[in-house]
Amino acid sequence: GAVVSQHPSWVICKSGTSVKIECRSLDFQATTMFWYRQFPKQSLMLMATSNEGSKATYEQGVEKDKFLINHASLTLSTLTVTSAHPEDSSFYICSARVQQGSGYTFGSGTRLTVV
Amino acid sequence: AQTVTQSQPEMSVQEAETVTLSCTYDTSESDYYLFWYKQPPSRQMILVIRQEAYKQQNATENRFSVNFQKAAKSFSLKISDSQLGDAAMYFCAYSSGGSNYKLTFGKGTLLTVNP
Repeated sequence: GAVVSQHPSWVICKSGTSVKIECRSLDFQATTMFWYRQFPKQSLMLMATSNEGSKATYEQGVEKDKFLINHASLTLSTLTVTSAHPEDSSFYICSARVQQGSGYTFGSGTRLTVV
Repeated sequence: AQTVTQSQPEMSVQEAETVTLSCTYDTSESDYYLFWYKQPPSRQMILVIRQEAYKQQNATENRFSVNFQKAAKSFSLKISDSQLGDAAMYFCAYSSGGSNYKLTFGKGTLLTVNP
């Protein structure tokens, strides 16, 4: 089946530095990738939608300059958290649409801790 | 905007018994998809079952089945013969059948299975 590989699984970084999270579709072409943020014991909150070769669409309240999304190829989408602060600590998950409306596959998530 | 409501923050069930998780949604669209996802402690999102709105027949996947009431905008999940491995957070989700494919999640229901 369609698999999305997400790396790293966890990362600790110092406040003020940037962190990049990668999501790769291994056996299919992901024209659309979704990035979610999940706080402990809460639901997934959509941050942005990225389409290959075009600018990402951010949800209301998400800082575009802080959460940079690049979807330069059909198999790779990246989320860069710039100038990270402790409040950016969270669990980040990517997801790709496999078929129209009927299929979504998720990465295994990245736990980000900013110290 | 579409909304998904899960009114049961927590549920518990005895092993081998049956449990039903509730979900309601609000939409003005006629073409859409509904999903139940499972998130175990590993936090990997796992598709449990999906339902196309245009299908009247309720979807089933082994021990998992749904009761899809389109007029009432209700989409409940029934787990039969509950197993210890069913313990997880369960999220109900909605996706439009149009050009906006993003998933909207409910807040989740934490299911505990008692031996």
